[in-house]
Amino acid sequence: GQNIDQPTEMTATEGAIVQINCTYQTSGFNGLFWYQQHAGEAPTFLSYNVLDGLEEKGRFSSFLSRSKGYSYLLLKELQMKDSASYLCAVTAEMNRDDKIIFGKGTRLHILP
Amino acid sequence: DSGVTQTPKHLITATGQRVTLRCSPRSGDLSVYWYQQSLDQGLQFLIQYYNGEERAKGNILERFSAQQFPDLHSELNLSSLELGDSALYFCASSVEPGAGVNTEAFFGQGTRLTVV
Repeated sequence: GQNIDQPTEMTATEGAIVQINCTYQTSGFNGLFWYQQHAGEAPTFLSYNVLDGLEEKGRFSSFLSRSKGYSYLLLKELQMKDSASYLCAVTAEMNRDDKIIFGKGTRLHILP
Repeated sequence: DSGVTQTPKHLITATGQRVTLRCSPRSGDLSVYWYQQSLDQGLQFLIQYYNGEERAKGNILERFSAQQFPDLHSELNLSSLELGDSALYFCASSVEPGAGVNTEAFFGQGTRLTVV
């Protein structure tokens, strides 16, 4: 089976940096996605990691350690519009069964 | 706009009824996923299709079924509806299934189903 853990909620201040962690247990791991979801809206793709290391994309960076089953999403220069849920998702392939499984998400609150 | 279209946006129906949710993937995407998101819950994977064939199955109830048509649009059928089926149902599409390039999923705006 697959299991994904991330904190339920986090709070940070506008202009600051926040790191959202995600740990996972899965067999046949292929890659890890991060998505952003504002309340009542569709998730939107942020990043994809398949190899160990850091992927940087503007204010957002995502890190993956396959050996540790660990990833984080780093958000810099926080803005009020970054208040949203951040979803960690893993994809694993076994017998052509390569679904994307999402964690429950981390609700990030940004304070002025 | 992700390019994925879901209809209807809202649906209110009574217990015991049957509904059909429709999804048109982005142009060129062959893979379609269906997810259920209840209040304060994560996205629960239901089922995935790739180029017309079922690819992967998640925690989809027997009362639910789906299919992907030759034009690649997909429908999710929910029958014998119960109050607990009230949720946001998202469709997502990607060029390829699985992992690797072109596998990130793009989500539609969802169908909010309310069962009364």
